[in-house]
Amino acid sequence: KAGVTQTPRYLIKTRGQQVTLSCSPISGHRSVSWYQQTPGQGLQFLFEYFSETQRNKGNFPGRFSGRQFSNSRSEMNVSTLELGDSALYLCASSLEDRVRYTFGSGTRLTVV
Amino acid sequence: GESVGLHLPTLSVQEGDNSIINCAYSNSASDYFIWYKQESGKGPQFIIDIRSNMDKRQGQRVTVLLNKTVKHLSLQIAATQPGDSAVYFCAEIPAGGTSYGKLTFGQGTILTVHP
Repeated sequence: KAGVTQTPRYLIKTRGQQVTLSCSPISGHRSVSWYQQTPGQGLQFLFEYFSETQRNKGNFPGRFSGRQFSNSRSEMNVSTLELGDSALYLCASSLEDRVRYTFGSGTRLTVV
Repeated sequence: GESVGLHLPTLSVQEGDNSIINCAYSNSASDYFIWYKQESGKGPQFIIDIRSNMDKRQGQRVTVLLNKTVKHLSLQIAATQPGDSAVYFCAEIPAGGTSYGKLTFGQGTILTVHP
């Protein structure tokens, strides 16, 4: 059974640009969550999607957005990148229960 | 100014010893508590969970203890192996339908196992 796949693994962007990260959940998983991990703030929840609907959102500015497609694949977008957006972005998927989330290996975003 | 990086607690043990990793949580209304292990270059990996109405739960080589009185969670790893070296995070899930996907993670503890 394939795990959660995140692409790309590494990304370097310039301040002011925008970026789109992709996540393919485990087959059959309909809930997808996104997290930002930094040395300063640790792991922080961005948002969660289920059946193409955002059900929950963390405390991040509107520059951070996401969506989920009918096949449960999800993307997150960050516009007008800032240096502080440099982080490991993690995607996690789950069946309908809200406890056992399986994480991908993340996308390492560096903003220069 | 620049944000200060988290100074993660560290635990160093010898191979074969038992390890105990501790976590204090803040939300007395949390419904589930979960332990994750994160190895370098990988995402967090689920280890074990415990519901708030339980005090103890055992898995393979791991035991989680929950003390709701003092809001304390611990993970015990028996016969620790070098492959257990990683950062360990506790996470909590609030009760209620608005908690979808939202794990609140602790700062993490670095476990180093020496052969």
